[in-house]
Parts: sequence; structure tokens; C-alpha cells
Amino acid sequence: AQTIHQWPVAEIKAVGSPLSLGCTIKGKSSPNLYWYWQATGGTLQQLFYSITVGQVESVVQLNLSASRPKDDQFILSTEKLLLSHSGFYLCAWSPPGGGLDTQYFGPGTRLLVL
Amino acid sequence: GDSVTQTEGQVALSEEDFLTIHCNYSASGYPALFWYVQYPGEGPQFLFRASRDKEKGSSRGFEATYNKETTSFHLQKASVQESDSAVYYCALGDSNYQLIWGSGTKLIIKP
Repeated sequence: AQTIHQWPVAEIKAVGSPLSLGCTIKGKSSPNLYWYWQATGGTLQQLFYSITVGQVESVVQLNLSASRPKDDQFILSTEKLLLSHSGFYLCAWSPPGGGLDTQYFGPGTRLLVL
Repeated sequence: GDSVTQTEGQVALSEEDFLTIHCNYSASGYPALFWYVQYPGEGPQFLFRASRDKEKGSSRGFEATYNKETTSFHLQKASVQESDSAVYYCALGDSNYQLIWGSGTKLIIKP
């Protein structure tokens, strides 16, 4: 069975500080990976997706960047946090291959920027 | 561009009531349509999907039918339980690897 792990569970960071959030998928080879952002009480906004190692496509940047250094790992980062970055960050995966398949979500990381 | 509209921001029902949450979409062709459920503090959970006109998706007693004519994919359940309290999202497959999400509907079940 596939498992998806996100770290950290929660963060409180200062405006202007750097950020790195991680996501690891186990039990699935070459998954498609996704990053989402969700404001408190809001809907989901897709940020990035990756279909292979080293390749990341931006949907909405929000002054964030993403990388996929390994087949099972997806990293979201920024060098300088803004207040507007606060929210819930979700990683998701879908089976490899073309087309639009169902996305499965991790438990999320809650970020508060002060 | 493509879009998904959920008209109810919140629905309050009593246990054993019938549930309908409305979802309408705007897109060309036959996009894939999804329902997800999100419990507080968790990531969304996939409920079911449909990809063709008149196709019915279902899971956990919830169901929805893809309607190309009315561009709808309304979520229904015959008898809700307190454990169904959550936020429900309708989503549309915009293109490869991208989902467009509705604004979500918070379901409150009064015991």
C-alpha cells in the first residue's frame, strides 16, 4: 500500500525567513507529485506538479519554488516568507502515466507566518 | 477558463436526512469530475469520480451522476450520519495533471 508522509507537521516562522517543506511517497514507483496550498477555511490551489525526477511545472507560484530531487520526494521552499504564505500545504500523488488520474493527499503541513 | 461552482457554502441537516450538494462546471468536452471529502486538520480524501456523460460514481453511500446537458455532478446521500460532517469539494480535471476545485461545502449534521 502507498503511504505519503509530509514534514514538518506544523511550523511557525517569521516573515522574511526561509522555508522548506517535504513530502515522501512510499510504495509507488514514479508517481506524479503535486503541491497544493489551502488558506484557512478556503479551497485548494494547485501550486506545482512533477511527473519525473528533476522536472517540476509551476501552476501558480506565490513566490514559492519546488524541486523533485528523488523519485519519491517532493520539496517546497522559499528563501523569504510572506505573511500571505500562511495556510495548509498539501502534497498529493497520482499513478504514473499520462492523463488525469485520481490524486491522493497527504496529511498536510500547517504553516503560520508571523 | 474552466471552473467549478458549489453554490452552498454550508448545509445543515439532521441525522437520516437526505443530502444534496450542488456542483456545476464550465468546461469544454468531457472533463473528469471528482468528489473529495476533507475532515478538520486532514488532507482531502478521494470519494469517487466520473468521466462520461450519465456515468454514476459512488462510495460510502454517496453518489453523483455526470450530466453533460446540465453540466452538473451533484452529490447525494439518502441518509446522513453525524460522522458525515466534513467539507465536501467538487473538482474538475482541467488538463493533464491539473485539478480545478470548487469552493467547498461544509456539511453540519445535528445529532
